[in-house]
Amino acid sequence: AQSVTQPDIHITVSEGASLELRCNYSYGATPYLFWYVQSPGQGLQLLLKYFSGDTLVQGIKGFEAEFKRSQSSFNLRKPSVHWSDAAEYFCAVGKITGGFKTIFGAGTRLFVKA
Amino acid sequence: DAGVTQSPTHLIKTRGQQVTLRCSPKSGHDTVSWYQQALGQGPQFIFQYYEEEERQRGNFPDRFSGHQFPNYSSELNVNALLLGDSALYLCASSLSSAPRVQHFGDGTRLSIL
Repeated sequence: AQSVTQPDIHITVSEGASLELRCNYSYGATPYLFWYVQSPGQGLQLLLKYFSGDTLVQGIKGFEAEFKRSQSSFNLRKPSVHWSDAAEYFCAVGKITGGFKTIFGAGTRLFVKA
Repeated sequence: DAGVTQSPTHLIKTRGQQVTLRCSPKSGHDTVSWYQQALGQGPQFIFQYYEEEERQRGNFPDRFSGHQFPNYSSELNVNALLLGDSALYLCASSLSSAPRVQHFGDGTRLSIL
C-alpha cells in the first residue's frame, strides 16, 4: 500500500539557518510527489511538486526539494529560514486509480526561534 | 478569480446529529475531493466526485456521503456523528484534464460535543 513517512514530528531551527525536512514514500510506480504547507487555521498551500524530469524542483517561498528514487525520498530544503516559515509541512504522494487522490504524511511542525 | 471556498468555517454539533458541509470549487474546476484532517494528523482522503457521481472512496464508513451538483459544487454529509468525527474537513478541486494539481480550501472545523 502507498504510504508517506515524515520521521520528524517537529523541528526547531534558528532564523537564518538552513532547513531540511525529511520525507520517505512507498509507492510501486513513478510517484507524483508534493510538499504542502499549512499555517494554523488555514488550508493547504502547495509549495512544490515533482512529476518527472529534473529531480531537483524549485518551489515558492524559496523552497526546493530533491527526488531520490534509490532512497525513496523527497526531502524539502530551504537555505535560510524566516520566522514566517513556522508552520506545519506535509509531504504527499499522488495516486491515480480511476481518479486522483493524495496520500499525506503525518506532517512536521516547524518552529523558528529568533 | 475565487479559489476553493468552504462553508461554514466552524461548526459545533453533538453526538448523533447530522451535518452538511459545503464546497465551491475553483472557477472552471469540475472535480471535487474531500479530506478529513484530525488534530495532529495529515489529511485523509474521504471521496471524490466527478460528473455528479462518486468516483472513488477512501476508508470511511457509509455515514459519510456526498453529492455534487451540476455547477460542480459539492456537499459532504455525515450522519450519526461520533466524537471521533471532530476534525478539519478540507475540500480540494481540480480539473479532470489535469487531476494531479489540486487546490485546497481553508476547511471547515467541525467539533463534536
